Amino acid sequence: EAQVTQNPRYLITVTGKKLTVTCSQNMNHEYMSWYRQDPGLGLRQIYYSMNVEVTDKGDVPEGYKVSRKEKRNFPLILESPSPNQTSLYFCASRSRAGGFLGTDTQYFGPGTRLTVL
Amino acid sequence: GQSLEQPSEVTAVEGAIVQINCTYQTSGFYGLSWYQQHDGGAPTFLSYNALDGLEETGRFSSFLSRSDSYGYLLLQELQMKDSASYFCAVGTGGGNKLTFGTGTQLKVEL
Repeated sequence: EAQVTQNPRYLITVTGKKLTVTCSQNMNHEYMSWYRQDPGLGLRQIYYSMNVEVTDKGDVPEGYKVSRKEKRNFPLILESPSPNQTSLYFCASRSRAGGFLGTDTQYFGPGTRLTVL
Repeated sequence: GQSLEQPSEVTAVEGAIVQINCTYQTSGFYGLSWYQQHDGGAPTFLSYNALDGLEETGRFSSFLSRSDSYGYLLLQELQMKDSASYFCAVGTGGGNKLTFGTGTQLKVEL
């Protein structure tokens, strides 16, 4: 089954304790991306990756790191989490990077609910 | 930066047609997408417009006017299961950077 998986699904942690949220897709997609969702603010893009070893900042990258060492995996790293990073996080992938004229579906993972105390 | 505006709430009755508008301000526009999200779920892709005009997918259609920086999502023959939040999103940065609107909550009533 084609899917994007995230782990963990729920996480409660404390300020300053480094954490990693994993994201994996089994569709051989070039493009992967991380979003956070907060009430009233919609989804905001944190980082995206156009292919292995190619990443770039989205609208809210501060406090986050990413890496893309393998095509299927795109982990999100919070080196020193703070309470304002409490949010619902989504990873997503689509088959191609870059602009295009045709329809191209972006698939989302189930989400990771993070609470930083 | 980019900014998008869409209504926060829309209510309609089952079987009706509803239109959700989205206006945007952006540079380097690479297309307008629409996503649906049910409470507690992940967003799912509905539609995408890169060029002006109407795209139809079953009961859902999406329209884009690049000259007006405007688009809409049209939902026909509304069903209770269409009750959800709907987000428009613009692509920039060569189509790789995606900025979402704050979402429209659609309530379908009997």
